[in-house]
This record gives sequence, C-alpha cells and structure tokens, in this order.
Amino acid sequence: DVKVTQSSRYLVKRTGEKVFLECVQDMDHENMFWYRQDPGLGLRLIYFSYDVKMKEKGDIPEGYSVSREKKERFSLILESASTNQTSMYLCASSARGGSTDTQYFGPGTRLTVL
Amino acid sequence: EDQVTQSPEALRLQEGESSSLNCSYTVSGLRGLFWYRQDPGKGPEFLFTLYSAGEEKEKERLKATLTKKESFLHITAPKPEDSATYLCAVETGFQKLVFGTGTRLLVSP
Repeated sequence: DVKVTQSSRYLVKRTGEKVFLECVQDMDHENMFWYRQDPGLGLRLIYFSYDVKMKEKGDIPEGYSVSREKKERFSLILESASTNQTSMYLCASSARGGSTDTQYFGPGTRLTVL
Repeated sequence: EDQVTQSPEALRLQEGESSSLNCSYTVSGLRGLFWYRQDPGKGPEFLFTLYSAGEEKEKERLKATLTKKESFLHITAPKPEDSATYLCAVETGFQKLVFGTGTRLLVSP
C-alpha cells in the first residue's frame, strides 16, 4: 500500500513565524504535490515536484516555497505565516509513467495561524 | 477555464436507500477522471479512475460511470460507514488535477 505521511496533524503558529510542513512517501514516487483545502473552494495546488530538486508552481504559490532534497521528502515552507494561510494542507505523491497516474494523499495538516 | 461541479452539495440517505452523486465538467482535454472519498479531518482516499466515455468501475457498493460531460457515482444500498465527502477531480494536463468541492453524504441507520 502507498503510504504518505505528514509531520503534524495539527499546528498552531503566530503571524510572521516561519513554518515548515514535511511530507514523506514510501513508494519511491517521482511526483509529489502540496495542496490546500478550504471550505467551498476545494483542493488547490500550491506547488509540485517531478524530481529531486525540481519544482513547479501550482495555482496559488504566493507566500509559499518548497524544498525537495531527497526523493521521498517534500517540504512546504511558509516564509512568514499570515492568518489567510490558515487551512488544511494536503501532500500527495504519484508515480511517473502515464499522465494519469493516481495521486495518493497523506492525512493532512490542519494549520491555524493566529 | 477548466471547471468541475459536483451536485448535490449534501445528501442525506437512509440506510439501504440507493442514490447517485453527479460530477459535471468542462475541460479543454480530459485525460482522466478521479473519484476520492474523504472522511472528516483526513486526506482523500482514492476510489476510481475513469479514462473514456462509457467506462464503468465498481467497488463494493460504489459504481462510477463516465460520459463525455459528466460522471456519476452510484451508491447501492448504502450503509452508515459510507458517510463521507466524495470528491471528483479531472486531469487536464500532466498531473494537473482540477477538483470539485465535493458532495457530503450522510447515511442514517
């Protein structure tokens, strides 16, 4: 079974803090993704990575950066957290291959910025 | 603009009462359509992928179908444990998914 884990289930941070969200997958997947999920807006792609040290902006990259130093690990960084970044953050991974490889999701991190 | 719309937003069923959830889409090029189940406070769990109109897939009480403009998730004789939010997503480019906002299903005993 594919397993995607995220470092924290719940996180509370202060405005202006630097925040790190970690994601690890154990299936040797090439592709990794970060989404945020907000009520009424669905899942929106922040960044994705198709290889180590490679990254691409998604639909809403502003205020975020990412790091992928190892194949199994993909980090999302909030350089200076703001209250509008309070959200559920979901990491996903997929294998390289055909374009429709399934994305498998982690359990999510509920981030609250005060 | 690529768009995915799910209906209804919420659905309440009695145990054993079959129904269908709808996912309609307008995309420039459909590469695949995905159904996920999401329990409260958890990440989406993969259910099905459909690639072409006419395709059907089944898993226990769930059956997904696809036409050129929409997909249906049919739930036959649901049980309370089927209560969850069901998400639909379409792949419009390389690994690019556009998600609907989901249908919240509640099945009462």
